Amino acid sequence: GAGVSQTPSNKVTEKGKYVELRCDPISGHTALYWYRQSLGQGPEFLIYFQGTGAADDSGLPNDRFFAVRPEGSVSTLKIQRTERGDSAVYLCASSLSGGQIGGRAEDEQYFGPGTRLTVT
Amino acid sequence: AQKITQTQPGMFVQEKEAVTLDCTYDTSDQSYGLFWYKQPSSGEMIFLIYQGSYDEQNATEGRYSLNFQKARKSANLVISASQLGDSAMYFCAMSPSGAGSYQLTFGKGTKLSVIP
Repeated sequence: GAGVSQTPSNKVTEKGKYVELRCDPISGHTALYWYRQSLGQGPEFLIYFQGTGAADDSGLPNDRFFAVRPEGSVSTLKIQRTERGDSAVYLCASSLSGGQIGGRAEDEQYFGPGTRLTVT
Repeated sequence: AQKITQTQPGMFVQEKEAVTLDCTYDTSDQSYGLFWYKQPSSGEMIFLIYQGSYDEQNATEGRYSLNFQKARKSANLVISASQLGDSAMYFCAMSPSGAGSYQLTFGKGTKLSVIP
């Protein structure tokens, strides 16, 4: 079946511009996560959605970052006034239920291929 | 707060040999989960194996096993019979168990290169 998809795969933008990154989770997965992976680092948590609502946005670095999931499936990560330090790979993941990771199949996070954002 | 440490930036292993990738963690939680993910050059994170903190037996999944030593706070990944396709970045991660345990905290990763 189809996995998590992310578009675009690559995005180059100028400093100060606005960008939107899209994530299509696995069909039926209620939980959706955004992570950011900087060069040479592991992914860092940004935000978690359960259904349409952001259950935890504590990982968003500042108010230039915002994410939505209006119909409980596709999510868009929005970055305003981009800075060079925002350059990274943005990973999206989904899981069947979320809320409790206990090694059960329904809680496993399935990751997309990521969007590589470069701010020049 | 949770922290994952992977001290091996890069590892080499001969094809068909076994290799151990190190992972130590720090947490004040009593209940937690430990994970290993593989990230090939395509960028996608692939789940490999899970160990719960209260699991008495080490987890195994095919050629992957997790050497869990709770007292030492280590969760090393053992890959047996290495294959060329195992060449990738490997990340250790953890999360608390229970409600709100959705966040994964990752280490910096280990780059594994399998030599023919």
